Amino acid sequence: EGQLVESGGDLVQPGGSLRLSCAASGFTFSNYAMNWVRQAPGKGLEWVSYISSSSSTMYYADSVKGRFTISRDNAKNSLYLQMNSLRDEDTAVYYCARDVDCSSTRCYTWGSSWFDPWGQGTLVTVSS
Amino acid sequence: QSVLTQPPSVSGAPGQRVTISCTGSSSNIGAGYDVHWYQQLPGTAPKLLIYGNTNRPSGVPDRFSGSKSGTSASLAISGLQAEDEADYYCQSYDSRLSGSRVFGTGTKVTVL
Repeated sequence: EGQLVESGGDLVQPGGSLRLSCAASGFTFSNYAMNWVRQAPGKGLEWVSYISSSSSTMYYADSVKGRFTISRDNAKNSLYLQMNSLRDEDTAVYYCARDVDCSSTRCYTWGSSWFDPWGQGTLVTVSS
Repeated sequence: QSVLTQPPSVSGAPGQRVTISCTGSSSNIGAGYDVHWYQQLPGTAPKLLIYGNTNRPSGVPDRFSGSKSGTSASLAISGLQAEDEADYYCQSYDSRLSGSRVFGTGTKVTVL
């Protein structure tokens, strides 16, 4: 089934930087695209970024484009999110989630993938 | 900012059936992209509940069912139980922005 464990969350001042990590186990990490999703306190889920299995393709939400960088190291079964120029509104729990587009019986077209499993999340607080 | 709209809350007595709607547009659900549903129990990470509009992962009770029609999708919970009290989110893809996965606004289910 797989397991994901995030780390790196902390309290950081506005304008600062932080690097989040996500350690994967229990599945062949290099076969899957990955995502970061965040949830501000008391708010809903917001997709942040996507990276393909080979790192050839990355996508970002408009809210973080130009400030955040997603990367991965398949040899270390790890996913990363480098966050620069942090703002108050970046305060959230950050989750990593595997991108799945095939069930046991069929594969789905581009854009129809889902997130499973999710990590437990790591809290990033941006405040002076 | 979410492009998928859900009712903020729904409630029902134990044993009743409740439904949660997820309304999108021609650039996401209406464009044919599949809809998935997640359950988030208090203080925990989201968990996949329904994928590909109607499919339940192993371990998810058959009380949960999903459907999709036109620019909308729905999640139904029949035989409501106390442990179903949680936040529920729909998710799809929007073709207006490259690679953009999108979530619904979220619905709090309360068991009376």
